[in-house]
Amino acid sequence: QKEVEQDPGPLSVPEGAIVSLNCTYSNSAFQYFMWYRQYSRKGPELLMYTYSSGNKEDGRFTAQVDKSSKYISLFIRDSQPSDSATYLCAMIPYSGNTPLVFGKGTRLSVIA
Amino acid sequence: KAGVTQTPRYLIKTRGQQVTLSCSPISGHRSVSWYQQTPGQGLQFLFEYFSETQRNKGNFPGRFSGRQFSNSRSEMNVSTLELGDSALYLCASSLVRGENTDTQYFGPGTRLTVL
Repeated sequence: QKEVEQDPGPLSVPEGAIVSLNCTYSNSAFQYFMWYRQYSRKGPELLMYTYSSGNKEDGRFTAQVDKSSKYISLFIRDSQPSDSATYLCAMIPYSGNTPLVFGKGTRLSVIA
Repeated sequence: KAGVTQTPRYLIKTRGQQVTLSCSPISGHRSVSWYQQTPGQGLQFLFEYFSETQRNKGNFPGRFSGRQFSNSRSEMNVSTLELGDSALYLCASSLVRGENTDTQYFGPGTRLTVL
C-alpha cells in the first residue's frame, strides 16, 4: 500500500459545481497536509496547507483534515474553467528536514 | 520577484548518455529540492540541498546525483541514462527548511526524454 492514495480521475464537472478532491494516507505520523495545483506544462503551486485536523478556508477553496480517518479533502466552490488542472495532495510527518510525500494527483476538468 | 527557473525546459537524450539539469531558486531561498514526476509513480523526492549540503536523499540509484553552489543554484546529474528516466524533473526552492513547514515554490520543470 502506498503511503498516500489519490484517485487519478479524470474528474469532469460543469462550471459552478462544487468539487470534492480526496486523499487517504496510511502513516499516522503525518501532521502537515498540503494541496498543490498543477497546470499543464507548469510546476505545482501551493494552494493550501493545514496542520493537524480541522478545516481551513481560502476564498472558494476549503481544505479538511480528518486524522482519525486518515483522510483529507479539498473542496472547490463555484468551480471555474480556470480551475481545470491536476490537484496533488502532499504531506509530511513534521516540519523541518523531511521531504513531501505526494499523492499521484487528480486531473480535474471544469466544463463551461 | 522572479520565480524558480529551470534549464533546459526540454531535453532529448539516448540511453547510456548523461545529463545535467540546472535550477535557480528564488532570490534569497537557500533550500532546493528535486523531484521526479512520472504518470506511473507521480512526484517522487530525489534529494534536497541546503547551504551546499545534501540534507535528504530519496530512494533513487546512485546514477542520480546533485549539488548546490554557494549562490544556492543547484544542478542534478543523471548518468548512464535509462528509458525509465524519462520524466518531468521538478526543482522546488524554499526560504529555509527549519522550524515551520516552509512553502516550496516549484519551477516549471525539465522534460527529459530518453530514447
